[in-house]
Amino acid sequence: DIVLTQSPVTLSLSPGERATLSCRASQSVDTYLAWYQQKPGQAPRLLIYDASNRATGIPARFSGSGSGTDFTLTISSLEPEDFALYYCQQRRNSPRTFGGGTMVEIK
Amino acid sequence: QVQLQQWGAGLLKPSETLSLTCSVSGGSFSGYYWSWIRQPPGKGLEWIGELNHSGNTNYNQSLKSRVTMSIDMSNNVFSLKLTSVTAADTAVYYCARSKAWNGHLDYWGQGTLVTVSS
Repeated sequence: DIVLTQSPVTLSLSPGERATLSCRASQSVDTYLAWYQQKPGQAPRLLIYDASNRATGIPARFSGSGSGTDFTLTISSLEPEDFALYYCQQRRNSPRTFGGGTMVEIK
Repeated sequence: QVQLQQWGAGLLKPSETLSLTCSVSGGSFSGYYWSWIRQPPGKGLEWIGELNHSGNTNYNQSLKSRVTMSIDMSNNVFSLKLTSVTAADTAVYYCARSKAWNGHLDYWGQGTLVTVSS
C-alpha cells in the first residue's frame, strides 16, 4: 500500500497567516492526490482533488500543488473556520490510503 | 443537493456482525461509486471498500475476508456488513461517493459510531 506522510503534525498559526501543509507519498501517485478538511464531530469535506483542483464551493484561499511524491496544501490567509484537521488521500493505487493528518490550531 | 444518510447498530459484542446502511438522495445513484470508510476514535481514516450500481465491488485487502457490501438500486441504498468484529473495529463509519473506481470522495454521510464491547 502507498504510505502518505503528512507534516507537520500540528501547525500553530494566527488568523490571517498563511498555512503550508505537506504530504509525501512512499511512491509516485502522479497527481492523484486529494485534500480533505475535518472538524470535530463532522465528516471529512473534500477541498482539493487531483492535486490542484478545488472542489465545488471551496474558497479560493485554498490551493494545492505538487506531483509525484511531494504535495502541498496552502491556505493563503487563515479564517477562523479554517482551524481544523487536514488529511491527504491518494487514488493512484488501490487501496485508497490517507495520511495521518495535520492539525491547524489557533496560536 | 446530494445527501447521504446512514444508520445501523451502534453497540456490538465481540464476534457479532456489524451492519450499516446508507441512503442516497438528491442525485443520481447509478453511474457513481459508493464507499465505506472508518475512523477509530482519535485516529486517521481507513478505506474499507466500494461498489458500483451493478454490484461490482473492490475491497481493502486488509478487511476483505470479513467484508460484504451490497446495493439496492430500487431504494437508492447500499450496505456494509463486517463479520466477527473485535474491539479493534470500534470506529466511526462513514459512507461516501466517488465518480470513479478509487476516485476522490466528494460527498460523505454523517458518520455512525460503532462500539464493540463485551
